[in-house]
Amino acid sequence: EVVMTQSPGTLSVSPGERVTLSCRASQSVRNSLAWYQQKPGQAPRLLIYGASTRATGIPARFSGSVSGTEFTLTISRLQSEDFAVYYCHESHTFGGGTKVEIK
Amino acid sequence: EVQVVESGGGLVKPGGSLRLSCAASGFIFSDYSMNWVRQAPGKGLEWVSFISASSTYVYYGDSVRGRFTISRENAKNSLYLQMDSLSAEDTAIYYCARVTGGYNHGYPDYWGQGTLVTVSA
Repeated sequence: EVVMTQSPGTLSVSPGERVTLSCRASQSVRNSLAWYQQKPGQAPRLLIYGASTRATGIPARFSGSVSGTEFTLTISRLQSEDFAVYYCHESHTFGGGTKVEIK
Repeated sequence: EVQVVESGGGLVKPGGSLRLSCAASGFIFSDYSMNWVRQAPGKGLEWVSFISASSTYVYYGDSVRGRFTISRENAKNSLYLQMDSLSAEDTAIYYCARVTGGYNHGYPDYWGQGTLVTVSA
């Protein structure tokens, strides 16, 4: 069973900054990784699938990439509505999440 | 518009049972696999169960296997989760989610707002 490890656990950033979130798979996986955003009191929202394809309606400032078993979600310029928890998902396994909070 | 709406949550005593339902609309339900995913208070997301489009394949997470049963009625565009032998560790928001792709490499793309299950004496 694959284990998905996200880092860091919490990221304190200022609006306008570039943010990079990491998700590492414990074994080689196909590039079918998905990223989700969850705000307090809301359901998760799909951001990225297939490691790098933005879901419908997702702004271009969100991008995904992969290198081996290391997956990355980048937010090019953080906006106020982007403060949330981000989860990666692969093969019915979720990472532990990264909370992006205001610095 | 794709929608999935969960119902059936509530307060149940330890050892009790509960049946969750999920009503789907805006897509051809019988073409898609479905997931249940849960989130304990203040915790991360945990996959609970998967069912393929025609119910041929059913899978469960280790923490619920043998106690939970997933099922679906394609004619009614409905998904279910029968939960037995509940314990406090099952307290969570339960989300219904449509899955694009299969069990191994699919991903949930549309999620409901969830239904809260609280297990407490």
